[in-house]
Amino acid sequence: QQQVRQSSQSLTVWEGETAILNCSYENSAFDYFPWYQQFPGEGPALLIAIRSVSDKKEDGRFTIFFNKREKNLSLHIKDSQPGDSATYFCAASASSGSWQLIFGSGTQLTVMP
Amino acid sequence: DAGVTQTPRHEVAEKGQTIILKCEPVSGHNDLFWYRQTKIQGLELLSYFRSKSLMEDGGAFKDRFKAEMLNSSFSTLKIQPTEPKDSAVYLCASSRLGAQDTQYFGPGTRLLVL
Repeated sequence: QQQVRQSSQSLTVWEGETAILNCSYENSAFDYFPWYQQFPGEGPALLIAIRSVSDKKEDGRFTIFFNKREKNLSLHIKDSQPGDSATYFCAASASSGSWQLIFGSGTQLTVMP
Repeated sequence: DAGVTQTPRHEVAEKGQTIILKCEPVSGHNDLFWYRQTKIQGLELLSYFRSKSLMEDGGAFKDRFKAEMLNSSFSTLKIQPTEPKDSAVYLCASSRLGAQDTQYFGPGTRLLVL
């Protein structure tokens, strides 16, 4: 059973649109949610992260919206650029008890020029 | 600061061979992780070290996969014997402290087992 689920394997948007990537989780103990971005031939790199005490985290064109009650979150990429084409992984961990970061299966985003 | 380095970047092995992958974490980081990445299974944790102590030895991967951390700046992952199903990208990551801190990933080693 997947603890962190990303509903879309792939997503295509046009340049300038807002891309929305969705993620849900099972474990109520999860309180830290990073998103990692991975380009072909490279390892994942942290893009933006949110803790469960917040419902929104913004960093430039990237925003995480977090809904603790529904156990889901989304990554919004505003004004998408072709250079944003990559695979995005949602991940989760709990501050107590577990040391492990659980990754979702990833969403491959393609931004068409 | 140098990032995580992994060698080799590519490896081709015959079934039954022993291969050793290498990783140098970011200087000063206490935690080191080995992951396997495939399209079907995604990112799977193989091993986790905290301050050179093995905290997680990979569960289902235990029998043929062995990770070691010889010192705070060098780790190896040995696969013995290799099987075609081991073909994947092997990623090493390090962090200062734990799963609630940023994990810095290396570029990975792409392994093909024939």
